[in-house]
Amino acid sequence: SYELTQPPTLSVSPGQTASITCSGDKLGDKYVFWYQQKPGQPPVLVIYQDTERPSGIPERFSGSNSGNTATLTISGTQAMDEADYYCQAWDSATGVFGGGTKLTVL
Amino acid sequence: QVQLQESGPGLVKPSETLSLVCSVSGDSISGYYWTWIRQPPGKGLEWIGYIHYSGNTNYNPSLESRVSISVDMSKNQFSLRLSSVTAADTAVYYCARDKVIPVAGNYFEYWGQGTLVTVSS
Repeated sequence: SYELTQPPTLSVSPGQTASITCSGDKLGDKYVFWYQQKPGQPPVLVIYQDTERPSGIPERFSGSNSGNTATLTISGTQAMDEADYYCQAWDSATGVFGGGTKLTVL
Repeated sequence: QVQLQESGPGLVKPSETLSLVCSVSGDSISGYYWTWIRQPPGKGLEWIGYIHYSGNTNYNPSLESRVSISVDMSKNQFSLRLSSVTAADTAVYYCARDKVIPVAGNYFEYWGQGTLVTVSS
């Protein structure tokens, strides 16, 4: 079965850039979606189709996908961005999530 | 505004069947894909499967032998059944409505708040 790998944790200082990676075999041939989840809440989509930002998502969120790695970048990270982030892709019509990355802003 | 609400027993005995309902308000079930996703306590998300309003389904291969998703258009609801549960099925179960992006695939646009189901005797 297809697997997506994320670093479990990432720490960043406020105002700095956070880059969260998601790796999978030939991931660049698929489209990647990114979700943000805060404690006790359902996930919220922050990036779709590799690079697109839904309405209402701040411009500091951006995405890229090439080769075997997709990246979610948060520029000028704010305290409110502290959350778990999950990448997701489709493999043979099956939804696959990465294991998630806990982003700490300190 | 579309709202989804999961309901069902919070405690299920091992080997029994877990049954959940997702009630949809603010829009019709018709025309969309509807998904179940779960999250064990303190762990990551797992896609369970989806149903199209027409009744077509697709399930996670790891659960396919035990899972069934159905839709009730008259009640504007869809349901999840997971048989032969074990402690490993303890999780928060979310229902969601898909947004179809041609070529790219679906994403999960609207989510319920989730319901915790514990498998224990």
